[in-house]
Amino acid sequence: DAKTTQPPSMDCAEGRAANLPCNHSTISGNEYVYWYRQIHSQGPQYIIHGLKNNETNEMASLIITEDRKSSTLILPHATLRDTAVYYCIVLSGTYKYIFGTGTRLKVLA
Amino acid sequence: NAGVTQTPKFQVLKTGQSMTLQCAQDMNHEYMSWYRQDPGMGLRLIHYSVGAGITDQGEVPNGYNVSRSTTEDFPLRLLSAAPSQTSVYFCASSGSDDWETQYFGPGTRLLVL
Repeated sequence: DAKTTQPPSMDCAEGRAANLPCNHSTISGNEYVYWYRQIHSQGPQYIIHGLKNNETNEMASLIITEDRKSSTLILPHATLRDTAVYYCIVLSGTYKYIFGTGTRLKVLA
Repeated sequence: NAGVTQTPKFQVLKTGQSMTLQCAQDMNHEYMSWYRQDPGMGLRLIHYSVGAGITDQGEVPNGYNVSRSTTEDFPLRLLSAAPSQTSVYFCASSGSDDWETQYFGPGTRLLVL
């Protein structure tokens, strides 16, 4: 499975959009991009996933570049409760998730 | 639904002791897995199961055993605890019709002295 690279930390003002980038330059054609987040020391929470089209759900939007080598998770109106570590994972049809160290997002009041 | 439950919440062991971390889910999920998370690190997959009677190794399986005799339960056994196994352990499950969405338990904090 492809490896991912994320910035270690980011800040975002409350009410603004939070854009979290992820690089996965070695991704192969059948690998999906998944995003999870971990608030404080709780168990991770699924956010969204996609293959090549942009995806949106009630929590976030996922934008995948045309060459699929990078993606961006967008939280449209960040709140203080969105402060968490966000993990980008690339996976193809197996259950072997590799979480990495993620991006620590701090939403500022 | 209680979702994914884990017991105990916190445990202290001495080196060489054995113990079993319990994980149960009431969502009839086929897939279950165990992760460990060391301070400042991401989660690492220990073992996983795609159904009752079927288990496989993850990224860091050494020192841990698992079995899956029922759909609901997926216990993790430490046969001889070592200080390097001090960590937070998370159990997760997902269903076959939505296997990408893992539901995580609250975690078990283990300290091995």
